[in-house]
Amino acid sequence: DIQMTQSPSSLSASVGDRVTITCQASQDISKFLNWYQQKPGKAPKVLIYDVSKLGAGVPSRFSGGGSGTDFTFTITSLQPEDIATYYCQQYDNVPITFGQGTRLEMK
Amino acid sequence: QLQQSGPGLVKPSQTLSLTCAISGDSVSSNSVTWNWFRQSPSRGLQWLGRTYYRSRWFYNYAPSVKGRLTIKSDTSKNQFSLQLNSVTPEDTAVYYCARQYGPFDYWGQGILVTVSS
Repeated sequence: DIQMTQSPSSLSASVGDRVTITCQASQDISKFLNWYQQKPGKAPKVLIYDVSKLGAGVPSRFSGGGSGTDFTFTITSLQPEDIATYYCQQYDNVPITFGQGTRLEMK
Repeated sequence: QLQQSGPGLVKPSQTLSLTCAISGDSVSSNSVTWNWFRQSPSRGLQWLGRTYYRSRWFYNYAPSVKGRLTIKSDTSKNQFSLQLNSVTPEDTAVYYCARQYGPFDYWGQGILVTVSS
């Protein structure tokens, strides 16, 4: 199985802050990396797919980058509605695997 | 849209069965896959398996549940289903179905399944 190591596990930030989350794969996954946002009681929602492509209707303050095994997810200006848990996910190989999640809180 | 159905309580050693009804797409589409996930505080988000059609049906299962999990596709009802055998309390989780078209872009509403006597 490909292990996805996500950090930090939790993060506290203020409105307007730049927030960055990292995700490291245990082997090269090429471009097959997605980022999801999940709010309590809801299913995950795709924000970024194939490393850096913005999902449908997703605000441009969200972005992604990286390649191979090291990836980043950035919110350029944090908004109150961004409070959620964020997950990276690889689909280069089955089983499809997720990072442990980053819980984002408002300071 | 994906609509999940199934019981919220299952006894230990019994079979957990869930269904995901599809609207706005076809279970036999040759450009997507249909997936099952679960989520619990102890295990996080876990992919369980998938089915997809590419001139014939394919099924893939996560090693952690292989041997206990069966995914079926039903073209007459345009749905797919999950059957997890010999459940234990560790199978207690919120279960989701989802479509993969690139990323997982459409999800069911989730069902909390508790394994308890």
